[in-house]
Amino acid sequence: GQQVMQIPQYQHVQEGEDFTTYCNSSTTLSNIQWYKQRPGGHPVFLIQLVKSGEVKKQKRLTFQFGEAKKNSSLHITATQTTDVGTYFCAGPRTGTASKLTFGTGTRLQVTL
Amino acid sequence: NAGVTQTPKFQVLKTGQSMTLQCAQDMNHEYMSWYRQDPGMGLRLIHYSVGAGITDQGEVPNGYNVSRSTTEDFPLRLLSAAPSQTSVYFCASRPTGLGGNTIYFGEGSWLTVV
Repeated sequence: GQQVMQIPQYQHVQEGEDFTTYCNSSTTLSNIQWYKQRPGGHPVFLIQLVKSGEVKKQKRLTFQFGEAKKNSSLHITATQTTDVGTYFCAGPRTGTASKLTFGTGTRLQVTL
Repeated sequence: NAGVTQTPKFQVLKTGQSMTLQCAQDMNHEYMSWYRQDPGMGLRLIHYSVGAGITDQGEVPNGYNVSRSTTEDFPLRLLSAAPSQTSVYFCASRPTGLGGNTIYFGEGSWLTVV
C-alpha cells in the first residue's frame, strides 16, 4: 500500500539554526499538504502544494514539491522556540481524494 | 466560531466497555473523518464520511463504528474497548470542491483502556 515516510524522526536544534524535514511517498501524489502539531495539541494545516516543482514560502518556512511529485520538503530558516512541534506531510491515497495518508512526522525541538 | 468540537476530552474505559466519542462541526463541511494517533506515530484514518448517510472505512476500522445522520455530527463508537485502542482520537472535517483539501482538526480525545 501507499507509504509516506519522513526523515528525520527527530531533530534538536539551537535557536537560530536552520531545520529541514523531508517527505517521501511510495506513489505519485496529486498534491501534498503540511501540518504542524504542537505538543499536546492538534494538527494545524500549514500549506498545500499541487504543481510539480512548486515552491511556496511562509515567512521563515519554505515548502517544496518535487518534480516527480513523490517527495517534498519543509525548510525553516533561523528557528525559534515557537517552531517546536511535530511536522507532518500528507497526501491523498492513490485513486481517491477522500483519504489522506499522513507521514510519520518529524519532531522538532528548539532550545536557546 | 466553534469549528470542530470533540467530546469528551479525556476518558478511561475498562476492557470490554463501549463508548461513543462525539464530534460536531459548524462549518457545513461535507467531509468528516476520524483519526487515531499513537505515541510517536502519525495519524491513521479510522473511518470517514463524504456526506450525510455515507460512511466508509479507512486504514484501521476494526473495533469502531460510525454513522452520519446529519451534516454536523459524526460520532465514533467503540464496540468493546481493548487496551490496543488506547490512543488519541482526532475528528476532522473539510469542505469539498475548491479548497477542499484543507483539513480542520478537533482538539482531540485522549482515551485510555485499562
